[in-house]
Amino acid sequence: GEEVAQTPKHLVRGEGQKAKLYCAPIKGHSYVFWYQQVLKNEFKFLISFQNENVFDETGMPKERFSAKCLPNSPCSLEIQATKLEDSAVYFCASTPSGGARRTDTQYFGPGTRLTVL
Amino acid sequence: GQQLNQSPQSMFIQEGEDVSMNCTSSSIFNTWLWYKQEPGEGPVLLIALYKAGELTSNGRLTAQFGITRKDSFLNISASIPSDVGIYFCAGQLVDSNSGYALNFGKGTSLLVTP
Repeated sequence: GEEVAQTPKHLVRGEGQKAKLYCAPIKGHSYVFWYQQVLKNEFKFLISFQNENVFDETGMPKERFSAKCLPNSPCSLEIQATKLEDSAVYFCASTPSGGARRTDTQYFGPGTRLTVL
Repeated sequence: GQQLNQSPQSMFIQEGEDVSMNCTSSSIFNTWLWYKQEPGEGPVLLIALYKAGELTSNGRLTAQFGITRKDSFLNISASIPSDVGIYFCAGQLVDSNSGYALNFGKGTSLLVTP
């Protein structure tokens, strides 16, 4: 598609439950980025993929968070055993070549708002 | 990632006024980006800057990539009510060792009264 699609729009989980978020990048884009935006508007980079391979996972919490981008499937971000502090809006962005070309820019999806109760 | 210093944090202005916001970093970037975010939506790219000293316009918006590569500003001229939103700067270091992730400022919340 011509836009980054994210589902669901909203997700509510009880503390300790699992949460799974999905992202379909723009068709033809090889790179996918996940960001977390917390209440103070701060964006935190989590992880990026080049096709189905992890490209950069320096922002990914070591525990409870995992992500995949499999061929012919939406990318996913999964949080095992959610905690209150995981409440945030999770954005996915895609770009044709990651930034290797100077004119590459990251196009963002509408986000998934995760609320952990 | 690195958190950029963006100011002001918020602005409340009248329609027709000009607006200026800026972003600084302790390290250099080779790409500066300005995004606008409206409630319930993802950031939308406004202007991208790729070269130190570059000055680029997009309608009433003008942005510059600082000479030191550690700062950028965004100006909005003759503001209108639909300019309301949160504006974010983002720096990106694109080289063989970087992961291409964006480093964001904390945003400038803009309110415009008719």
